[in-house]
Amino acid sequence: AQTVTQSQPEMSVQEAETVTLSCTYDTSESDYYLFWYKQPPSRQMILVIRQEAYKQQNATENRFSVNFQKAAKSFSLKISDSQLGDAAMYFCAYRANAGGTSYGKLTFGQGTILTVHP
Amino acid sequence: GAGVSQSPSNKVTEKGKDVELRCDPISGHTALYWYRQSLGQGLEFLIYFQGNSAPDKSGLPSDRFSAERTGGSVSTLTIQRTQQEDSAVYLCASSPLQGNYGYTFGSGTRLTVV
Repeated sequence: AQTVTQSQPEMSVQEAETVTLSCTYDTSESDYYLFWYKQPPSRQMILVIRQEAYKQQNATENRFSVNFQKAAKSFSLKISDSQLGDAAMYFCAYRANAGGTSYGKLTFGQGTILTVHP
Repeated sequence: GAGVSQSPSNKVTEKGKDVELRCDPISGHTALYWYRQSLGQGLEFLIYFQGNSAPDKSGLPSDRFSAERTGGSVSTLTIQRTQQEDSAVYLCASSPLQGNYGYTFGSGTRLTVV
């Protein structure tokens, strides 16, 4: 079974600084997607960034970027120029591609609470 | 609609009562998912509907939990004889059948069993 592990229950960062959130996963499949979701106090899960496993290039979305290390099964999120609005719980998630045994189902890590200090 | 809609937003119920939670997915999304999030915890998979296929019920914690999806659209999650440990936020999400899309989530229903 696939598992996703976020080893940092809480992280904090100063406004305008950079922070990296860690995520590791375990799977026997070769074709899958990885995601980072943000959940503010409103409870709405917001997709931050996604990465296809077959792509070697790390995904980037404005101030958010990932460091995808497929061999190490590591998928960290870097937030640059942190803003107060980035404060939220962040979840790493895995989804098998078509044909995988768990296709369609997102498996989530435990989450990391990010605090941004002014 | 433009997003995934869940109702009610909050529900307080007495232990032993049955509750129904509703999810209205994005129009055209054939896949629908229910997750449960206990306080300060990650998301626990409950059930997954994909098109006309039989649903994946592998995450339902007990036979008190059931879900249906009528007409390939609206879904209802039913919890019978609620227990205090059922208190959580229940999140619904939908996605297109294929592709690399993440899910679009609703804002959830916060269930409190007293």
